[in-house]
Amino acid sequence: KNEVEQSPQNLTAQEGEFITINCSYSVGISALHWLQQHPGGGIVSLFMLSSGKKKHGRLIATINIQEKHSSLHITASHPRDSAVYICAVVYGGSQGNLIFGKGTKLSVKP
Amino acid sequence: SAVISQKPSRDICQRGTSLTIQCQVDSQVTMMFWYRQQPGQSLTLIATANQGSEATYESGFVIDKFPISRPNLTFSTLTVSNMSPEDSSIYLCSVPTQGRESEAFFGQGTRLTVV
Repeated sequence: KNEVEQSPQNLTAQEGEFITINCSYSVGISALHWLQQHPGGGIVSLFMLSSGKKKHGRLIATINIQEKHSSLHITASHPRDSAVYICAVVYGGSQGNLIFGKGTKLSVKP
Repeated sequence: SAVISQKPSRDICQRGTSLTIQCQVDSQVTMMFWYRQQPGQSLTLIATANQGSEATYESGFVIDKFPISRPNLTFSTLTVSNMSPEDSSIYLCSVPTQGRESEAFFGQGTRLTVV
């Protein structure tokens, strides 16, 4: 079993839909990242969370440390949101010890 | 924040050859990390590169196969040596920022195909 599990693996949505991507982890962590990976491979950090909830524009990320679960929500989805979204946990207190999920491939249709 | 310039963005290489990937950061950072993402798999840490000391490799990765240089606090290279088709992956460099709310910043990635 992977230490970081994401669901769903693939997600297709219509423009305007509300989207939720889930991440569950089985190890003790100090923080969790949500990342966006574009088709060329480059990665952008969307959020780093250690507790509670963060919001940037149409993106909302929540984390429940007790339940070892985080969610990424996208409101009013748009085709430009199409990308792979990756959950990564900070393990062992070092920023380099990131354990990554396999990612959720999101496709938003116009 | 940190801006990382990684190159090349992609390459197609013959088996048995080597490719060196470069990452340039616009600020001084103590640690730089190199990751590999094989097709359909999660990103995996290859090694941590500290300036002034040898890189620390994760289990399954060795210096002869993935030599790393870290000549100063803004630059690092990763070489994929004696390549085989199994080395076809995306390779990424990353740096953390400092502070309690530190984030991780990634390069644009190098998509390597070995034929």
